[in-house]
Amino acid sequence: DIQMTQSPSSLSAAVGDRVTITCQASQHISNYLNWFQHKPGTAPKLLIFDASSLEAGVPSRFSGSGYGTDFTFTISSLQPGDIATYFCQQYDNLPYTFGQGTQLEIK
Amino acid sequence: QVQLQESGPGLVKPSQTLSLTCTVSGGSISSNSFYWNWIRQPAGKGLEWIGRIYTSGTANYNPSLESRVTVSVDTSKNQFFLRLSSVTAADTAVYYCATGDYFEYWGQGTLVTVSS
Repeated sequence: DIQMTQSPSSLSAAVGDRVTITCQASQHISNYLNWFQHKPGTAPKLLIFDASSLEAGVPSRFSGSGYGTDFTFTISSLQPGDIATYFCQQYDNLPYTFGQGTQLEIK
Repeated sequence: QVQLQESGPGLVKPSQTLSLTCTVSGGSISSNSFYWNWIRQPAGKGLEWIGRIYTSGTANYNPSLESRVTVSVDTSKNQFFLRLSSVTAADTAVYYCATGDYFEYWGQGTLVTVSS
């Protein structure tokens, strides 16, 4: 299985801050990586697919980059509604695997 | 817009079989070229992909669960199903169904507790 190492596991930032989360794959996955936002009691929401493509309707303050094994997810200016858990997912190989998640809080 | 809704018992006894249904609305299982997936998340842990099925009935499973898992589909009811046998407390989790080209469609999840 491909291991996805996501960091940090939790993050506290102020409104307006730039927030960065990283995911490292245990082997090359090309750009086959998703980023999701998950709020308690709701369905996970796809934000970024193919490592850097913004899902329709997602604000442009969310972005992703990377290729191969190292990936980055960025919120350019944190908003109060962005409080959630964020996680990455690789879909290069079965079984699909996920990062452990980053719990984002407002400082 | 495809919508998914999980349903099934919230409590299953150890050694029994967990059975869940994912009902699809806003689109037909048979007319979409998607794989239909099951994923779970134990409390305080990360997400685990369980398995998937295609409209043709071809299924793939996580090797860690393959001996106990069956995913099936009923296109006439626009539903797909998860069966997990011989459950233990370690199978207690929120179970999600999901689909799409990039997992863009998810259900809200259903908590299944394994306990006597």
